Amino acid sequence: DTGVSQNPRHKITKRGQNVTFRCDPISEHNRLYWYRQTLGQGPEFLTYFQNEAQLEKSRLLSDRFSAERPKGSFSTLEIQRTEQGDSAMYLCASSYSGTGGLIGYTFGSGTRLTVV
Amino acid sequence: LAKTTQPISMDSYEGQEVNITCSHNNIATNDYITWYQQFPSQGPRFIIQGYKTKVTNEVASLFIPADRKSSTLSLPRVSLSDTAVYYCLVGDRPAGSARQLTFGSGTQLTVLP
Repeated sequence: DTGVSQNPRHKITKRGQNVTFRCDPISEHNRLYWYRQTLGQGPEFLTYFQNEAQLEKSRLLSDRFSAERPKGSFSTLEIQRTEQGDSAMYLCASSYSGTGGLIGYTFGSGTRLTVV
Repeated sequence: LAKTTQPISMDSYEGQEVNITCSHNNIATNDYITWYQQFPSQGPRFIIQGYKTKVTNEVASLFIPADRKSSTLSLPRVSLSDTAVYYCLVGDRPAGSARQLTFGSGTQLTVLP
C-alpha cells in the first residue's frame, strides 16, 4: 500500500466551472477526511466519513461543495460553480478506528486548486 | 477546543537539538496533545502524541508538564530535511480517532547548514 493517493495533484479551472477531486485512502482504513489549506495557514476541516456514511460536515462546506464515499473506499469532493476563493490545497486523510487513535491520520499530498 | 499558541518561526543549525513549545492554557482534562509535521506541497504527517509527562518515539520526544498548560516537541540533532512547519494540536480524542483536527498556523522551522 502506497498511502493515501489524491488525484489530480494540480487543477487549474476557470471561475464558474465544476471540479471533482478523488481520494483513495489506505485500503484498510474505514475513516476518511477532507481538509482545505490556504497559503500560510493550517488545514481546515471540511468533512468526515466512517465507511460510506458522512458523519460530520463543517460550515465551511457550502452548498457548492459535495463529498461522497459511495462504497466506503475512495471518495470524491466536487465543487460546483468555483469561485476564486476556492483556490486552495485540498487534503484527504484516512485512519483506522481499530488502532484506538494512537497513530494519527495519514494524509495524502493534496490537490492544489487554482481558480482563475 | 483548546486554543494553541506556537512561535511563528524558528531557526536552527544542523546537528542541534530543537525544542518547539506550544501553549494551551485552557486544555481540558480529557484532551490529548498531538504534533504534526508538514513539508511544502505535502499533507501533514503525524509525529507524536501524548497526554502527560514524556513520550518518546524514533522521531521526537514530547514533554508535558504536570499542569499540561504547555508542551514541548523536542527534535534531536536536526538535519536540513527537518525544515518544515510543525503543528501542535489539542483535542479530546486520540489523534487517529478525532472526527476533526483543529490546526493553528504552526511553527516554520528552518534548519541551516
